[in-house]
Amino acid sequence: GQQVMQIPQYQHVQEGEDFTTYCNSSTTLSNIQWYKQRPGGHPVFLIQLVKSGEVKKQKRLTFQFGEAKKNSSLHITATQTTDVGTYFCAGPPGGNKLVFGAGTILRVKS
Amino acid sequence: DTEVTQTPKHLVMGMTNKKSLKCEQHMGHRAMYWYKQKAKKPPELMFVYSYEKLSINESVPSRFSPECPNSSLLNLHLHALQPEDSALYLCASSQVIKSGSVNEQFFGPGTRLTVL
Repeated sequence: GQQVMQIPQYQHVQEGEDFTTYCNSSTTLSNIQWYKQRPGGHPVFLIQLVKSGEVKKQKRLTFQFGEAKKNSSLHITATQTTDVGTYFCAGPPGGNKLVFGAGTILRVKS
Repeated sequence: DTEVTQTPKHLVMGMTNKKSLKCEQHMGHRAMYWYKQKAKKPPELMFVYSYEKLSINESVPSRFSPECPNSSLLNLHLHALQPEDSALYLCASSQVIKSGSVNEQFFGPGTRLTVL
C-alpha cells in the first residue's frame, strides 16, 4: 500500500532559525495536506496542495508540492516558540482516507 | 461552528468493562473518522463513515465497534480491550468529495484511554 515518508523525525532549532520538513510518497498523490499538532493537542489542518509544482504561503510558512506530485515540503522562516509541535503531512491513497507521515517534532529554543 | 467535540476527555477502564466514546459535529460534514494515536506516532485510521454508512474498516479488532446514529454523531463502543489499546482516540470529520480524495479534516480534542 501507499507509504508516506517524512523526515527528519526531530528538529531542534534556535528561535529565529529556519526549519524544513520533507514528505515523500511512494505513489502519485491527488493532493497533500499538512497538519500541526501542538503538545497535548490534536491535529489541526494547515493547508492542502493540489496542483503539480504548487507553492503556497501562510505568513512565515511556505508549502511546496513537487512537480511529480510525490513529494512536498513545509518551510518555516525565523521560527518562534509558538511554532513548537509536530508537523504531519498526509496524502490520500484512494478510498476517501488519509495516510499520515510519521511527523516531524519541532522544538524551538529561546 | 467549526468544532468537533469528543467525550469523555479521559477514560480509564478495565479489560472486562464496556464503554463508549462519543463524537459530535455540526458542520454538515457527511464523512466521519476514528483514529488511534500512540505517543510520538501519527494518527492511525480505524474507521471511515460516509453518509452514515461504514465505508472503511482498517482491519480493526472486533472489540472496537463503531456506530453512526445520524449525520452529526459518531460513537465507538469498546469491549474487552487490552492494555495495548491504551492511546488517544481521535474523531475527525470532513466534507465528502470525489472518490480517491479527501478534503481537509477537522479533528476533535480526543479521548485519552487507559486500559488497566
